[in-house]
Amino acid sequence: GENVEQHPSTLSVQEGDSAVIKCTYSDSASNYFPWYKQELGKRPQLIIDIRSNVGEKKDQRIAVTLNKTAKHFSLHITETQPEDSAVYFCAASDYGGSQGNLIFGKGTKLSVKP
Amino acid sequence: DVKVTQSSRYLVKRTGEKVFLECVQDMDHENMFWYRQDPGLGLRLIYFSYDVKMKEKGDIPEGYSVSREKKERFSLILESASTNQTSMYLCASSLWPGNSGNTIYFGEGSWLTVV
Repeated sequence: GENVEQHPSTLSVQEGDSAVIKCTYSDSASNYFPWYKQELGKRPQLIIDIRSNVGEKKDQRIAVTLNKTAKHFSLHITETQPEDSAVYFCAASDYGGSQGNLIFGKGTKLSVKP
Repeated sequence: DVKVTQSSRYLVKRTGEKVFLECVQDMDHENMFWYRQDPGLGLRLIYFSYDVKMKEKGDIPEGYSVSREKKERFSLILESASTNQTSMYLCASSLWPGNSGNTIYFGEGSWLTVV
């Protein structure tokens, strides 16, 4: 089945700097890669996703890139703000499962210092 | 706005007790999931269901069972709670089929402590 590795586990940046979180996956059949943000005490929420027919996707200050050959995808946050502080999870769809449930990375705790 | 509601936010149970965690979604989603979230381990899938009365084991099903008698409700059952099941449990739902890229919506989570 699918296995998703996420790095780093913690990341601290100064406000205004960029943050990059990287994930690798093992199943070459996976074709859907969402990113979730979980603020302290709250539920994870989808912030951006990418499908395998697209190499890059942007939404304001966040972007995701996908390299299917290398089987890795990354989240880029530019001009970070304190409200970006949260745990971020990457995920990949698992075609080995019955209905394509998501396999999550272990999460990255991002801290943005004012 | 999709709503996934977990009825119990905080529970304290004794070892050996039977525990029910309830989850209801209001968007007529076919898929429902139960995840467990632990520090450093991320979100791990316990069970999921793609239809009423259907269930599939996830990565860590041992010690858990589930029930889906109605489309909107998915219950997680700990037959005999143990201290290593102390964790935060997240319910989620999505439209069919899940691997087309449909968003998974999470509930607020249920914090379970087993003493």
